[in-house]
Amino acid sequence: AQSVTQPDIHITVSEGASLELRCNYSYGATPYLFWYVQSPGQGLQLLLKYFSGDTLVQGIKGFEAEFKRSQSSFNLRKPSVHWSDAAEYFCAVGPNSGGYQKVTFGTGTKLQVIP
Amino acid sequence: DAGVTQSPTHLIKTRGQQVTLRCSPKSGHDTVSWYQQALGQGPQFIFQYYEEEERQRGNFPDRFSGHQFPNYSSELNVNALLLGDSALYLCASSLWGGNEQFFGPGTRLTVL
Repeated sequence: AQSVTQPDIHITVSEGASLELRCNYSYGATPYLFWYVQSPGQGLQLLLKYFSGDTLVQGIKGFEAEFKRSQSSFNLRKPSVHWSDAAEYFCAVGPNSGGYQKVTFGTGTKLQVIP
Repeated sequence: DAGVTQSPTHLIKTRGQQVTLRCSPKSGHDTVSWYQQALGQGPQFIFQYYEEEERQRGNFPDRFSGHQFPNYSSELNVNALLLGDSALYLCASSLWGGNEQFFGPGTRLTVL
């Protein structure tokens, strides 16, 4: 069964500081990996995704993530955080196969940005 | 081009009642998935519809049922509501065989 672990429930960073959100996954084959962001009371917005190829993936809003198969990790990074980045971030894993798209989400990491 | 839309935005029901939530997929998409997001949790997969059939189901009881219409829109029905059904219900659309889902804004269900 596929699963996702986000070990950090809550992270606080200063505006302008760098950010890394951790994600570990469990999946029997090469998975599809995603990072989503959710602002309070809102739906999910896709930040970036990994399907294959280059293990360093660029996303929107200056985010990037690196797929490390040996560590079963897909950590999200941003070099300089802006106050508008305060939100909840979800890592997710899905099957690398056509059709069925049951996506499993982690429990999320809530990011607080302080001035 | 409208994205995924859901209605209603908010809903309040009492225990034992039944509720129907609606979702219209992004233009061109043919597959709809439903997720439940309880407060402080990540979304959990309920089920997925394609060609008007349930194709995959998560670990949810039979009180949760759905339907997909010929125009690809979908409904989620929950019978005999429990307090624990209070959550944000998210709809996601995609292409069958595709690898990316687009999420709607969700319906906030409160069960009193």
